[in-house]
Amino acid sequence: GENVEQHPSTLSVQEGDSAVIKCTYSDSASNYFPWYKQELGKGPQLIIDIRSNVGEKKDQRIAVTLNKTAKHFSLHITETQPEDSAVYFCAAPTYGGSQGNLIFGKGTKLSVKP
Amino acid sequence: EAGVTQSPTHLIKTRGQQATLRCSPISGHTSVYWYQQALGLGLQFLLWYDEGEERNRGNFPPRFSGRQFPNYSSELNVNALELEDSALYLCASSVGGVNYGYTFGSGTRLTVV
Repeated sequence: GENVEQHPSTLSVQEGDSAVIKCTYSDSASNYFPWYKQELGKGPQLIIDIRSNVGEKKDQRIAVTLNKTAKHFSLHITETQPEDSAVYFCAAPTYGGSQGNLIFGKGTKLSVKP
Repeated sequence: EAGVTQSPTHLIKTRGQQATLRCSPISGHTSVYWYQQALGLGLQFLLWYDEGEERNRGNFPPRFSGRQFPNYSSELNVNALELEDSALYLCASSVGGVNYGYTFGSGTRLTVV
């Protein structure tokens, strides 16, 4: 089965700085890697995802990179804003694909100081 | 389009009682996933239902069970409640399997006293 490790567990940055969160996974057959943002009192929300046929994907201030050889993927947030403060989770599928369910990392609490 | 809805929002039960949590997926989504989010422990996978069948379960005891109805809504039952079952229980749905991502509901906060 899949195992997902995420670090750091907490991250504090100044507004305008960049933030990077890293995850590793164990199942080399995994081919889909989403990132979720969870704000206080809400369920996690999908913010970006990447499939194994690309190495990087960007959406405005958010980007995700994937290194399949090393089995790790990272979330990059540039020009951070106070509203980026939340808990971020990475995930990877069990069974390497569409027949499985997502296994989540333990989360990173990001604090953006004004 | 309505999102994933969960009820109740909050639930307080006494140790030893049973709890029933409900989830309605997004229209057209056939897969429902349940996760437990205890304080500081991230998202722990509980159960996955698709087309009315249990497809997979996580490392939880048998007193955690559930079902999926013909309209794809789902129910999570927790029997013989223990204090450590206190957590946020999240339901998610997906249209085409895990590779299309999940949409989560806001969760049910279960407190066992």
